[in-house]
Amino acid sequence: QQQVKQSPQSLIVQKGGISIINCAYENTAFDYFPWYQQFPGKGPALLIAIRPDVSEKKEGRFTISFNKSAKQFSLHIMDSQPGDSATYFCAATTFNSGYSTLTFGKGTMLLVSP
Amino acid sequence: DVKVTQSSRYLVKRTGEKVFLECVQDMDHENMFWYRQDPGLGLRLIYFSYDVKMKEKGDIPEGYSVSREKKERFSLILESASTNQTSMYLCASSLFGGSKDEQFFGPGTRLTVL
Repeated sequence: QQQVKQSPQSLIVQKGGISIINCAYENTAFDYFPWYQQFPGKGPALLIAIRPDVSEKKEGRFTISFNKSAKQFSLHIMDSQPGDSATYFCAATTFNSGYSTLTFGKGTMLLVSP
Repeated sequence: DVKVTQSSRYLVKRTGEKVFLECVQDMDHENMFWYRQDPGLGLRLIYFSYDVKMKEKGDIPEGYSVSREKKERFSLILESASTNQTSMYLCASSLFGGSKDEQFFGPGTRLTVL
């Protein structure tokens, strides 16, 4: 049972364009929503995260939009650059019995063409 | 900087072999995790540990076991490797295990089982 659905699976964007990756979740117990970025040959690294009581969070060119009623959230990359080419994973955190675990989406491979 | 290291970047084993994947973190983190990453399936949690000698099953524990004898070291064990365990294995650690705790990933071990 996939608890975090991510789309698209892959995305090609021209340099300077906007990249948009969408995620949806079902479990209302999720209480934190991070995005991880993974470059080839590296492990994922935290990019940006949002709490469910906030509708938007912006860090530089990266913005998360969060719609709690629709149980959806998305990552927007403004002015996309070739260096942003990576795989992006949305995730959701469940806190239970004193520890938290992450449930990841299946990932989006982003290619920003020069 | 937090550093998570994994003992091997690439590993080739034969069906039926016992395989040990080692992970070490140097920041005194309480929690450690093992994931496998497969194309189109994202990251799936195999096991995690929130304290020395403690372990919890993740989403796909079948065919795996873990050991955590020291706080900084978390081992993933494939008792009898099978071809369907060919995958990228990622280790991660986090400080306390709260919902907002960032997980820090190692570079991964690409395991091929022949």
